[in-house]
Amino acid sequence: SQQGEEDPQALSIQEGENATMNCSYKTSINNLQWYRQNSGRGLVHLILIRSNEREKHSGRLRVTLDTSKKSSSLLITASRAADTASYFCATDTYNQGGKLIFGQGTELSVKP
Amino acid sequence: NAGVTQTPKFQVLKTGQSMTLQCAQDMNHEYMSWYRQDPGMGLRLIHYSVGAGITDQGEVPNGYNVSRSTTEDFPLRLLSAAPSQTSVYFCASREKDRGISGANVLTFGAGSRLTVL
Repeated sequence: SQQGEEDPQALSIQEGENATMNCSYKTSINNLQWYRQNSGRGLVHLILIRSNEREKHSGRLRVTLDTSKKSSSLLITASRAADTASYFCATDTYNQGGKLIFGQGTELSVKP
Repeated sequence: NAGVTQTPKFQVLKTGQSMTLQCAQDMNHEYMSWYRQDPGMGLRLIHYSVGAGITDQGEVPNGYNVSRSTTEDFPLRLLSAAPSQTSVYFCASREKDRGISGANVLTFGAGSRLTVL
């Protein structure tokens, strides 16, 4: 079964707007990661937030983590057409040998 | 550095045929894994390996075999292909698990698109 459930499944915005994607998970985690996948390519790691962190920034990316609600959000500010891609959350859970379990992904389309 | 290299990029099989998807990494990563990606299903873990000679099953192992004779290579074998195995397959690797204080960040290959007729 999927550990991460992402919302929305698809998101379409205009360039310059902010994009917010949400991820919910079921069990306790070591950390939560976000990956990006351009069409026809492999996944690329974006950012990692540990279970004892609440917020993390990297460039135009802002990730929050609420362990009490078992949820995370990824905010991309001032989006660009080049941000068009699918975004996946992945959870690294306790006592799972470091296996990453991925959500179903959010497909983001940024229109110029 | 090449990172994670997968071959072939595309493959068409007939039901019942066998084949091997190759995966090689040049980063001396101990951990390697195979995922399949299907529309609406995200990525699902097929098999993984924490080091040479050690493999284990993931969420969806049925119909697939793996082996890990070297640190660099982690081939995925389909012994008798079925249409349900039509998918995009990704190999991914990372350094050794560092436990609760670690960061198990995966490096992915470009994917292998398999169609089973």
